[in-house]
Amino acid sequence: DAMVIQNPRYQVTQFGKPVTLSCSQTLNHNVMYWYQQKSSQAPKLLFHYYDKDFNNEADTPDNFQSRRPNTSFCFLDIRSPGLGDAAMYLCAIGQGPQETQYFGPGTRLLVL
Amino acid sequence: LAKTTQPISMDSYEGQEVNITCSHNNIATNDYITWYQQFPSQGPRFIIQGYKTKVTNEVASLFIPADRKSSTLSLPRVSLSDTAVYYCLGYQAGTALIFGKGTTLSVSS
Repeated sequence: DAMVIQNPRYQVTQFGKPVTLSCSQTLNHNVMYWYQQKSSQAPKLLFHYYDKDFNNEADTPDNFQSRRPNTSFCFLDIRSPGLGDAAMYLCAIGQGPQETQYFGPGTRLLVL
Repeated sequence: LAKTTQPISMDSYEGQEVNITCSHNNIATNDYITWYQQFPSQGPRFIIQGYKTKVTNEVASLFIPADRKSSTLSLPRVSLSDTAVYYCLGYQAGTALIFGKGTTLSVSS
């Protein structure tokens, strides 16, 4: 059974139109992460939640925001998607520092 | 922040042993060394993690010298299905994974 569920698997949006990607987990792990992965590149950490504490990477654009309403769910909001935001967005979960991270299948975002 | 360096690509044939070496010169004292595997259009998957000497599981072995400035992932008898990108990872502030560029392993028959 999937531990990390991401919906939708594919998302098409228009330039400048807000979009939300969702992630849920079945393990109640403390930490939830969002990574951005562009074609032929390594995943890049955007931010993570340690329980309710939000940790934003210094180089994550302000255009990207996140919400974690409860332990199981985490959302990635892109307020005004640009063409350069087209990528695979990966959600991951973990129990704490240096514990194994479990990744979801990702949501591939296309911006038209 | 532990920066990692590994070869961009490697080629192998089925049945061979593959060793991928990663350097992490400024690894922190408390940091573990972790390797992930990623297939196209899938999320990364944990392979193995170690702190020192040697760790072995059903998938791979991880060799770490005493100075811990490098590590070697060893895949025994690779098959076509082992074709993937392999990441040696460092941790930021002990919490979040920081991916290096990864090694693309291509296995041929």
